[in-house]
Amino acid sequence: DAGVIQSPRHEVTEMGQEVTLRCKPISGHDYLFWYRQTMMRGLELLIYFNNNVPIDDSGMPEDRFSAKMPNASFSTLKIQPSEPRDSAVYFCASSVTRGLYGYTFGSGTRLTVV
Amino acid sequence: ELKVEQNPLFLSMQEGKNYTIYCNYSTTSDRLYWYRQDPGKSLESLFVLLSNGAVKQEGRLMASLDTKARLSTLHITAAVHDLSATYFCAVDSRWDNDMRFGAGTRLTVKP
Repeated sequence: DAGVIQSPRHEVTEMGQEVTLRCKPISGHDYLFWYRQTMMRGLELLIYFNNNVPIDDSGMPEDRFSAKMPNASFSTLKIQPSEPRDSAVYFCASSVTRGLYGYTFGSGTRLTVV
Repeated sequence: ELKVEQNPLFLSMQEGKNYTIYCNYSTTSDRLYWYRQDPGKSLESLFVLLSNGAVKQEGRLMASLDTKARLSTLHITAAVHDLSATYFCAVDSRWDNDMRFGAGTRLTVKP
């Protein structure tokens, strides 16, 4: 298995633009998580899905952020409009039965909003 | 709200020495995870601890979980330079439906 695949690896965009981050979880994993990592706030859970259904989005910072999981093999995290304070590394992770065997993280997307 | 506290946040140690990183959490949980992150890289799963008294070892690292004390430890034995990285603990509290990471411990092993 190729692991959790995220794209793009790096994204530089101008303030006000829409940004879409993508994630392909490991096949057979029924949980998918989106995290954000910054120096100031560390690792923050933004939202997670179980069987493609959003379970908890209380970590989503603002209405500018939205996430979808249209099927078991694909999820997106969208920021519209983007702001410089959204600059961070965004990780996607997946697991079987909510972490019974741990979580596998993707390589992350480094987002820079200028 | 679930709180996860790691200490120390920064640790500089010499090769060959032993040390322990501590992870305290604030609520009932029986799922605790340790991860390693190298600069600019993703998180690598080290240990999954699922019950009180669980102890797992891999090479020079050993992790344990005491759910009654709400404490996990990551013990480093005879440190080597390759262990230099940031180590995170993470707690999944199904009772509170909350999942949080500690702030991380940046470990530097000097020759």
